[in-house]
Amino acid sequence: DTEVTQTPKHLVMGMTNKKSLKCEQHMGHRAMYWYKQKAKKPPELMFVYSYEKLSINESVPSRFSPECPNSSLLNLHLHALQPEDSALYLCASSQGSGGLNNEQFFGPGTRLTVL
Amino acid sequence: QKEVEQDPGPLSVPEGAIVSLNCTYSNSAFQYFMWYRQYSRKGPELLMYTYSSGNKEDGRFTAQVDKSSKYISLFIRDSQPSDSATYLCAMSRNTGFQKLVFGTGTRLLVSP
Repeated sequence: DTEVTQTPKHLVMGMTNKKSLKCEQHMGHRAMYWYKQKAKKPPELMFVYSYEKLSINESVPSRFSPECPNSSLLNLHLHALQPEDSALYLCASSQGSGGLNNEQFFGPGTRLTVL
Repeated sequence: QKEVEQDPGPLSVPEGAIVSLNCTYSNSAFQYFMWYRQYSRKGPELLMYTYSSGNKEDGRFTAQVDKSSKYISLFIRDSQPSDSATYLCAMSRNTGFQKLVFGTGTRLLVSP
């Protein structure tokens, strides 16, 4: 089973709201990722968790707060977002990090609209 | 200059054609090469994952890597309308964790 699931599929929020995106995988992968994708652009890396520890933060604004409660789950907490944060948010996982372990499998994404 | 260059297309072909999708890159440190297929408003789906130079075949898909030319290709045989999607190349370096560097994606349209 090479499935990464994400909830919700769609999310509309105001700039003062607090919401969370959730991601889950049951492949035993030890690295999980958040990407942001704008229309007609490739995915941009936001965060990487390796063995449940944050290993990469690509200078993402603090209004995005990741959390990895366990090896199967990854959350992205959202607060005080701006309309320009509207995008498809993708979660991915890989067996590990580096080399052949970096084969990344993506979830279907959460389409976020900030009003 | 971008690290990875990919023609955005669209590339329009008739059903049954052989499709060639390509990326060039500038960083000789890239060792791992991937092709993803992404349907509109969906997440990318990993099609091929290759290491260093050479060919890899999986069903109707063949991935080629030419490190000497810094050029990778994805060939799709007997293309189908269901192959219509955006194809993203991605690559990473060898040592430790390295993030994927994506091309901009090529939009492919296969007409019946």
